[in-house]
Amino acid sequence: QKEVEQNSGPLSVPEGAIASLNCTYSDRGSQSFFWYRQYSGKSPELIMSIYSNGDKEDGRFTAQLNKASQYVSLLIRDSQPSDSATYLCAVNTGNQFYFGTGTSLTVIP
Amino acid sequence: NAGVTQTPKFRILKIGQSMTLQCAQDMNHNYMYWYRQDPGMGLKLIYYSVGAGITDKGEVPNGYNVSRSTTEDFPLRLELAAPSQTSVYFCASTTLNTGELFFGEGSRLTVL
Repeated sequence: QKEVEQNSGPLSVPEGAIASLNCTYSDRGSQSFFWYRQYSGKSPELIMSIYSNGDKEDGRFTAQLNKASQYVSLLIRDSQPSDSATYLCAVNTGNQFYFGTGTSLTVIP
Repeated sequence: NAGVTQTPKFRILKIGQSMTLQCAQDMNHNYMYWYRQDPGMGLKLIYYSVGAGITDKGEVPNGYNVSRSTTEDFPLRLELAAPSQTSVYFCASTTLNTGELFFGEGSRLTVL
């Protein structure tokens, strides 16, 4: 059983603050890691992908991967009300993609 | 370029009925996936396909069947619908097995 776990939240942060989202996975053979954002009633959309240990930055978003600890995180800097959504961690193992249950983020103006 | 197209968007079924959720992609992706998402939950993999003629079970395949006769189409069949199959179903595709998943808009199914 491949497991992907996230802190379910909900997480609330004031506008302009840093939001920190965490994810752990069980399969050491996992190769690729993704963060998706899902607005209520919509389909998931990709925010970040990360494939090797370390940090990857894209605008206000930074993904961090630590394969030894089987841990992936997403930092959102200067959080905006438009960032309010559910964030899904996804892990690729072989031909399959497994998702966590998601963390609900609310950015308070 | 429409991406991933799912039909229908909404459907109500009675217990015991059967139906097919359609999924088509026009991006020439080899890999296609069906997920279900229950309220407040993440996505659970039902079935996936790595190419035409090849399908495999995911985490929650019971009560469902799939086929992949062409690269473009990946229909999901529900046999003998049960209330436990009430969910939102997402179809997704990707060009590589380590790449970004492109999702359809989802199909909301209610079984009464």
